[in-house]
Amino acid sequence: EAGVAQSPRYKIIEKRQSVAFWCNPISGHATLYWYQQILGQGPKLLIQFQNNGVVDDSQLPKDRFSAERLKGVDSTLKIQPAKLEDSAVYLCASSLIGPRDTEAFFGQGTRLTVV
Amino acid sequence: ELKVEQNPLFLSMQEGKNYTIYCNYSTTSDRLYWYRQDPGKSLESLFVLLSNGAVKQEGRLMASLDTKARLSTLHITAAVHDLSATYFCAVFLFEETSGSRLTFGEGTQLTVNP
Repeated sequence: EAGVAQSPRYKIIEKRQSVAFWCNPISGHATLYWYQQILGQGPKLLIQFQNNGVVDDSQLPKDRFSAERLKGVDSTLKIQPAKLEDSAVYLCASSLIGPRDTEAFFGQGTRLTVV
Repeated sequence: ELKVEQNPLFLSMQEGKNYTIYCNYSTTSDRLYWYRQDPGKSLESLFVLLSNGAVKQEGRLMASLDTKARLSTLHITAAVHDLSATYFCAVFLFEETSGSRLTFGEGTQLTVNP
């Protein structure tokens, strides 16, 4: 079974530039998560989708971050404009229904460096 | 707000020794996950603990959950170098108003020395 796919693996941008990350979850997984993991810290949930609807985006900095999952499958996370403190690994995860029913499986992540 | 605390944050141990990592959380939950993360890699699911008193074992690792004490432990038996990694616990919380969320601890960076 293919895992969660993310791209790109690495990205270096200057502050105030824009960047987008892409995620393809495991086939059949209705729930998709985006996490931000700053170096030395645990992952922090940014946004959670159930199919193409947002379940939780309470920790998403909406002034600069946006995410969409238009057809209930792939998802993109965008940062515009980026700040130095956005340097982190952005992890995408998916699960069959939600964490109440099964665990989340994580992709390899996109390591973002803002300079 | 749910808080998840792990200790220790850093653990250096010798091969062959035993040790326990602790995960405390602040709000009632009956579902907890343990993940492993190698440097530069993603998170690998180790254990899913679904009820009070749950105990699961895989190789040299054993995880348990005490929902009354809001505590989970990850016990390492006779450590080997291959276990060197960062270990995270993650607590599931479901709220009527905001839905479900998985909240992670800070992680325990384990180094097993020969």
